[in-house]
Amino acid sequence: GAVVSQHPSRVICKSGTSVKIECRSLDFQATTMFWYRQFPKKSLMLMATSNEGSKATYEQGVEKDKFLINHASLTLSTLTVTSAHPEDSSFYICSAPYAKRLYTEAFFGQGTRLTVV
Amino acid sequence: RKEVEQDPGPFNVPEGATVAFNCTYSNSASQSFFWYRQDCRKEPKLLMSVYSSGNEDGRFTAQLNRASQYISLLIRDSKLSDSATYLCVVNLGGYNKLIFGAGTRLAVHP
Repeated sequence: GAVVSQHPSRVICKSGTSVKIECRSLDFQATTMFWYRQFPKKSLMLMATSNEGSKATYEQGVEKDKFLINHASLTLSTLTVTSAHPEDSSFYICSAPYAKRLYTEAFFGQGTRLTVV
Repeated sequence: RKEVEQDPGPFNVPEGATVAFNCTYSNSASQSFFWYRQDCRKEPKLLMSVYSSGNEDGRFTAQLNRASQYISLLIRDSKLSDSATYLCVVNLGGYNKLIFGAGTRLAVHP
């Protein structure tokens, strides 16, 4: 199956700093990737759609200047949490769609647990 | 109204029990449907896709009712290893944007 690799898996940063999270499709190309956030015991919430070679599409309520997304190649999307604050502490996870014969399956990265102190 | 709604549970069942999860979705234009499983602090993984005719994979049976916008998952002969959160997922089509339900937590005990 397709593999999506996300890095880092865990990061602790100081309030006010920026953190970059990488999402790579290792054995397939992904013109679109998705970024989700999950708070403890809550559902995954779609933050934005990352589009290769063009601007990301953000969901309602997600600040695009706060969560910068870059999708510069067909295998890499990055999410940068700028000027992080404790309330940004969460589990961030990316996914990429992979077309199979009967349906398209979403493959997920391993997730990044961000703690802002 | 949430786009995808699930009973959050938790469902606490003994080994060998049969358990059913339900899910409703609000967007009638939704094109494809899935059940994902998420273990604690891990990424979600596809359990099975859901077809209109219903489909079965071992102990797992999924059903879709497009008229009622309702999806179900039945787990027979529950195992301890089935303990996880089960996510109902809807694909709105186009760019394969998946919308997740809040998940139903299952705990299978000896």
